[in-house]
Amino acid sequence: QQPVQSPQAVILREGEDAVINCSSSKALYSVHWYRQKHGEAPVFLMILLKGGEQKGHDKISASFNEKKQQSSLYLTASQLSYSGTYFCGTEADQGGSEKLVFGKGTKLTVNP
Amino acid sequence: NAGVTQTPKFQVLKTGQSMTLQCAQDMNHNSMYWYRQDPGMGLRLIYYSASEGTTDKGEVPNGYNVSRLNKREFSLRLESAAPSQTSVYFCASSEHLRVGPGNTIYFGEGSWLTVV
Repeated sequence: QQPVQSPQAVILREGEDAVINCSSSKALYSVHWYRQKHGEAPVFLMILLKGGEQKGHDKISASFNEKKQQSSLYLTASQLSYSGTYFCGTEADQGGSEKLVFGKGTKLTVNP
Repeated sequence: NAGVTQTPKFQVLKTGQSMTLQCAQDMNHNSMYWYRQDPGMGLRLIYYSASEGTTDKGEVPNGYNVSRLNKREFSLRLESAAPSQTSVYFCASSEHLRVGPGNTIYFGEGSWLTVV
């Protein structure tokens, strides 16, 4: 079942912050975040496992609320290079090998 | 080290024609995937292969077939192309089906397919 991402699109000025949310109706084992530039392949950003951890990568960080089956991606002091479409991928926690299912994406535009 | 390589990059087909998208990975991964990406729909899984010798349907398998030729190669075939199959197709691979720390999915650069 496809996770739900919000918002669908965000427009920022350079230096502003943004939050992208990802929620699932299933109990999750992991949440993955990818960024895709126009015309390119999705590129892995980070993975979060159940346990409510938070991770960071430069000025991009993410959290995972296991109880709510939600993850949020935080982009701080955005740069022009952050523009792209962000996808979350979720892996259900059903004790076996579950495939990664992606959300529909959030298009982020950072303007000068 | 090329990662995941898929061919062709661009293709135009007529309705009813058949074609095969080729994919190869050089990371010695066990699991391989085919996704399609349509505007506003995100990445949807067509078929996957958990390991050499196995294939399984994903979310949108209708109209497609796959072959896991060997550990490196995983092809996607459209037997009778339809305009609804116009999309961008991504091949991907991971070390194992259950991804986790150190085992994420790597994508190829995509194949743009137009069916007229």
